Formats: sequence, C-alpha cells, structure tokens
Amino acid sequence: GESVGLHLPTLSVQEGDNSIINCAYSNSASDYFIWYKQESGKGPQFIIDIRSNMDKRQGQRVTVLLNKTVKHLSLQIAATQPGDSAVYFCAENSLIYNQGGKLIFGQGTELSVKP
Amino acid sequence: DAGVTQSPTHLIKTRGQQVTLRCSPISGHKSVSWYQQVLGQGPQFIFQYYEKEERGRGNFPDRFSARQFPNYSSELNVNALLLGDSALYLCASSWTASNSPLHFGNGTRLTVT
Repeated sequence: GESVGLHLPTLSVQEGDNSIINCAYSNSASDYFIWYKQESGKGPQFIIDIRSNMDKRQGQRVTVLLNKTVKHLSLQIAATQPGDSAVYFCAENSLIYNQGGKLIFGQGTELSVKP
Repeated sequence: DAGVTQSPTHLIKTRGQQVTLRCSPISGHKSVSWYQQVLGQGPQFIFQYYEKEERGRGNFPDRFSARQFPNYSSELNVNALLLGDSALYLCASSWTASNSPLHFGNGTRLTVT
C-alpha cells in the first residue's frame, strides 16, 4: 500500500552541525515530494520540494536528495540553528494521477538542536 | 500577504455533536484541502476542493463533509462526533489542483469529550 516512512523518529544535533533527515517511500507512482517543518502549535510549513525528474535540489541552507532507485528521500540542513528545532515531515504525491491535493505524510522526525 | 487562516483555533465538543470548521485560503489560491492530524502522527488527507468541486476524498466516514464557496473559502463539517475525532484539523491551499505545493494554516484543535 501507499506509505511514507521515516528512518529516525528523533534526531539531536549540536548547533552549527549539519543535519540529515531521511525518508523512505513505497509508492512507485509518486512523482512529487515535499518537506515540511512543523513547530509546536503551528501548521506544517513548506521547506522545499522536488519532482521525480530531479535527484537534487537546493534552497537556503537546505538540500533535498531523491534516490528513486531505492525510493529514498533526504533533507540536509546546513549549519543547524536552534530555530530549526521542530518536527520534519516528508510527503509524497502523484501529480500524473491528478492527486495534487492529496499528500501522503510520514510520521515525522523530531529535530532537537542543542546550543 | 495573509497566509491560510482557520477558525476557530480551539474547540471543545461533546460526543454526538456536530462541528463546522472554517478556512480562508491564501489570496489567489483556488484549491483547498483538509487534513486531520492526530497527536504524534503526520497529517492525513480528508478532502480536496478546487473551483468549488470535490476533487478527492480520503478514507474518512460519511460523517465528514466539506464544501467550497465562490470566494474559495471552505468549511469542513463533522457530524455525530466521536472521541476519536479529537485532532488538529489543518486546511491547506494551493494555486491549482495539482503541480503546486500546499500551504497550511495553523489548524483548529478539536477536542471531543
């Protein structure tokens, strides 16, 4: 069935270090992937997205890597800051099946940044 | 620009009651989606509306219904509330029905007692 899972439910890093959050997906029809950050008491905040015709995309301090061969997605955060502490979700979608509004979310990884 | 706004922010209801949650999308966005987020889990898709038509429905019972208005705002209704309906209900909007990222509001926290 469709599912998106995360390898690590919690991640603790030192301020200034790089963080890597991993995600596995099982739906081979998924062609669009998004990373969201959710702080306590708030809704998910869009970080970065990537389509299946790419294997890497960079934003400000963040990089998303997509490995379609092993159905794996990762989010790299450079120079992690205390403000990066939150739960991070990967989500998948199948645009070719016109399911743009239907994101399938993983359980989430809680990132804790130690000062 | 205002983001996605939801009301109310918190709500307490009793089992068997009915509830209506409201959402205003980002200006210019025509698609609205609803998600349920149970504590400790990722959001689960409930509905998508685009141009006032239902475009998708998740695995939720018929007690859940929604609609979208001409100004693209939306309401989610839940009838005959159960304890298990206690959750954070998130609304998300996007420019189109597909091919664009969803932007979420801060949700309505529903507690059913």
